[in-house]
Amino acid sequence: DIVLTQSPDFKSVTPKEKVTITCRASQSIGRSLAWYQQKPGQSPKVLIKYASQSLSGVPSRFSGSGSRTEFTLTINSLEAEDAAIYYCHQSSSFPYTFGQGTKLDIK
Amino acid sequence: QVQLEQSGSELKKPGASVRISCKPSGYSFSSYAINWVRQAPGQGLEWMGWIHTNTGNPSYAPGFTGRFVFSLDTSVGTTFLQISRLQEDDTAFYYCARESPSGDFDYWGQGTLVTVSS
Repeated sequence: DIVLTQSPDFKSVTPKEKVTITCRASQSIGRSLAWYQQKPGQSPKVLIKYASQSLSGVPSRFSGSGSRTEFTLTINSLEAEDAAIYYCHQSSSFPYTFGQGTKLDIK
Repeated sequence: QVQLEQSGSELKKPGASVRISCKPSGYSFSSYAINWVRQAPGQGLEWMGWIHTNTGNPSYAPGFTGRFVFSLDTSVGTTFLQISRLQEDDTAFYYCARESPSGDFDYWGQGTLVTVSS
């Protein structure tokens, strides 16, 4: 199975700060990586697909980059509403897997 | 608009079975695979597998074989997750999610909480 390891596990940040979350894959997954945001009591919501493709309705401060084994999710000018847990997810090979999650706390 | 409506919370005793439904709307039912994802309380997301809604063919992640069954009823455009011989560590939210052609899960159900307790 492909293991996705996110870092950090937890980050406390202030509004307007820039945040980067990393997702490392245990083997190459090309660009078959998506990022999700999950707020308390809600279902996950997709933010980025194909490693770097933005989705309609997602604020432009969210961006993704990377390929093969190393990927990043960047949030520019963080807002209070971005407090959530962020997950990466690979759909390159069976079984699909998720990273363990990164919890963002807004000070 | 696309929606995935899941059935309500369930409270079951160990050893019992449960069936959760997921009814997509707003698009052609047979055009997209439906995936199932488990989230234990306070834990991360765990991919359980998928069912192809055009063929009814399921695939299960390791760890979700045997007691877990995905099925369809195309007459009512609904997918199901059945879990048998429930154990207390099956207590979790179970989500259905539509898989887009690019492999991401673009729409999710609201989640169904299954609580297993004696």
